[in-house]
Amino acid sequence: RKEVEQDPGPFNVPEGATVAFNCTYSNSASQSFFWYRQDCRKEPKLLMSVYSSGNEDGRFTAQLNRASQYISLLIRDSKLSDSATYLCGITDSWGKLQFGAGTQVVVTP
Amino acid sequence: GAVVSQHPSRVICKSGTSVKIECRSLDFQATTMFWYRQFPKQSLMLMATSNEGSKATYEQGVEKDKFLINHASLTLSTLTVTSAHPEDSSFYICSARDWGGQGLYTFGSGTRLTVV
Repeated sequence: RKEVEQDPGPFNVPEGATVAFNCTYSNSASQSFFWYRQDCRKEPKLLMSVYSSGNEDGRFTAQLNRASQYISLLIRDSKLSDSATYLCGITDSWGKLQFGAGTQVVVTP
Repeated sequence: GAVVSQHPSRVICKSGTSVKIECRSLDFQATTMFWYRQFPKQSLMLMATSNEGSKATYEQGVEKDKFLINHASLTLSTLTVTSAHPEDSSFYICSARDWGGQGLYTFGSGTRLTVV
């Protein structure tokens, strides 16, 4: 079983719609949680950190569910520019950041 | 914000040669850096953790004699792919954690290695 798992998608989303997806993790001792965005052939860019209380940054909302061991990302009012691969990143107790395989989102006009 | 500079961005080398990739933290000290590899349409896979002044720790399945890591200073880590083969062609990327800032991970821009 992989330590960090994501639905690879693609999620085809009409412009203006809402899309949400999860990332599950197997290590209950995981420390920190992040969502990154990766565009083709580029380095990942931090989208937001994820906290148990949930957090929102504009059209993006992230949640952490420690009991069920998953994090989620919701994108509202999708823009064409939101098309990308979204990676969840999770650190262990040693500070090593591991990634899921990524969820591809394609926003269509 | 914290910046990590990675060079070269692209390299093509002949099979059997070695390639060195450099990763520098420009405005912070990085006692630890992480090296990842990403094959097409796959995730970033952690290869090793580079520790300043000590030996790197490698993830399971990563050959330490093939992927030499040196972290001689608080701002520089290097990854050398020795005796490269076509199957080593991949996207290599480094990351460092800025403990002086918000403790977030900053990534280099990556190196696309093609072995011919």
